Amino acid sequence: RKEVEQDPGPFNVPEGATVAFNCTYSNSASQSFFWYRQDCRKEPKLLMSVYSSGNEDGRFTAQLNRASQYISLLIRDSKLSDSATYLCVVNDGNTGKLIFGQGTTLQVKP
Amino acid sequence: SAVISQKPSRDICQRGTSLTIQCQVDSQVTMMFWYRQQPGQSLTLIATANQGSEATYESGFVIDKFPISRPNLTFSTLTVSNMSPEDSSIYLCSVTTGGVGYGYTFGSGTRLTVV
Repeated sequence: RKEVEQDPGPFNVPEGATVAFNCTYSNSASQSFFWYRQDCRKEPKLLMSVYSSGNEDGRFTAQLNRASQYISLLIRDSKLSDSATYLCVVNDGNTGKLIFGQGTTLQVKP
Repeated sequence: SAVISQKPSRDICQRGTSLTIQCQVDSQVTMMFWYRQQPGQSLTLIATANQGSEATYESGFVIDKFPISRPNLTFSTLTVSNMSPEDSSIYLCSVTTGGVGYGYTFGSGTRLTVV
């Protein structure tokens, strides 16, 4: 079983749609969780951290369920510029290493 | 967050040769990491670059193939040795300026093609 699993997609949605990405992780001792965004031929960039209480940043909402070892990202009112690959990332608290999911590709169409 | 200068940004190399990739950070950082991203794949950690000691390699990666230097808290190099076409990939360095709860910043990557 992969340490961090995501549905690779692609997700093809129209502008204005709401889309949700899911992610599961295998190490129950993981301490920190993130969503990164990676545009084509670019490096990954931190989109947002994920907290147990849930957190929101504009159109983006992230949720963490530690009991289920499940992370989600919700994007509301999708824009063309949201088209990218979204990486679910888990930090191994013992080593400080980041473990990456395989990424979910989003394509927002006009 | 830290600003990372990674170079070269891309290179095309002959098989059997070696390439050294450099990462310079604009501030002192405790932890630096080297990742590989193969075409169409996610990121795989190669090693953690430790200042003043040997790097810590992940399973499947060895020092002879990927020697790493970390002479100080702002700089590291990764060498891809005796290259083969299978080494064609994007190589990225990454740092964190905070603790384990903080996100990481990535260099812009080195796109390597081995012919």
